[in-house]
Amino acid sequence: NAGVTQTPKFRVLKTGQSMTLLCAQDMNHEYMYWYRQDPGMGLRLIHYSVGEGTTAKGEVPDGYNVSRLKKQNFLLGLESAAPSQTSVYFCASSYTFIGPTNYGYTFGSGTRLTVV
Amino acid sequence: AQSVAQPEDQVNVAEGNPLTVKCTYSVSGNPYLFWYVQYPNRGLQFLLKYITGDNLVKGSYGFEAEFNKSQTSFHLKKPSALVSDSALYFCAVRDSYGQNFVFGPGTRLSVLP
Repeated sequence: NAGVTQTPKFRVLKTGQSMTLLCAQDMNHEYMYWYRQDPGMGLRLIHYSVGEGTTAKGEVPDGYNVSRLKKQNFLLGLESAAPSQTSVYFCASSYTFIGPTNYGYTFGSGTRLTVV
Repeated sequence: AQSVAQPEDQVNVAEGNPLTVKCTYSVSGNPYLFWYVQYPNRGLQFLLKYITGDNLVKGSYGFEAEFNKSQTSFHLKKPSALVSDSALYFCAVRDSYGQNFVFGPGTRLSVLP
């Protein structure tokens, strides 16, 4: 089925460890996004990309890096994990044009990350 | 800058009663407005959107929303709530020139049997 796939679904890290979250979409969307969701704070944009080879900072970029080497993939990296990065991470993608036949964002099912 | 407010953290309604989840927005240019629903341990799912045209938008699962330009509101409604509607609801806005959506903080809807 077409959509956005996130891996892994769950991960526990020790403080200072690094990891990469992978987001893959098969809808040929230009735009891709990484959000974090924390209780009472809704969704906050970490980084986003408007096309292959491009990235830009969102609202809460510190402590994260991203890469978009291929159009279908958007990677989120944590170089040195901190307990404050414990969160649920969502990837999303969208077309550039919002029209009658598309749904805005399509979201992945999330990655639950715990940093101890 | 774009912003979205959902003034209620929690909405409780009895099954069979009508429900309303409120959303107000601020955006430069023409707004694209969306409602998403999140069930426990799941990603956000699209419910409905307003781009242009009729102010009353109908979406999935019997939900509808009314766009009110003068009040800059986009409230989500359903005539008869179901227990299975209990979830977290997010309003989102994107302006017609923008690249990003801005999400509200979410409203938790509880439908009581």
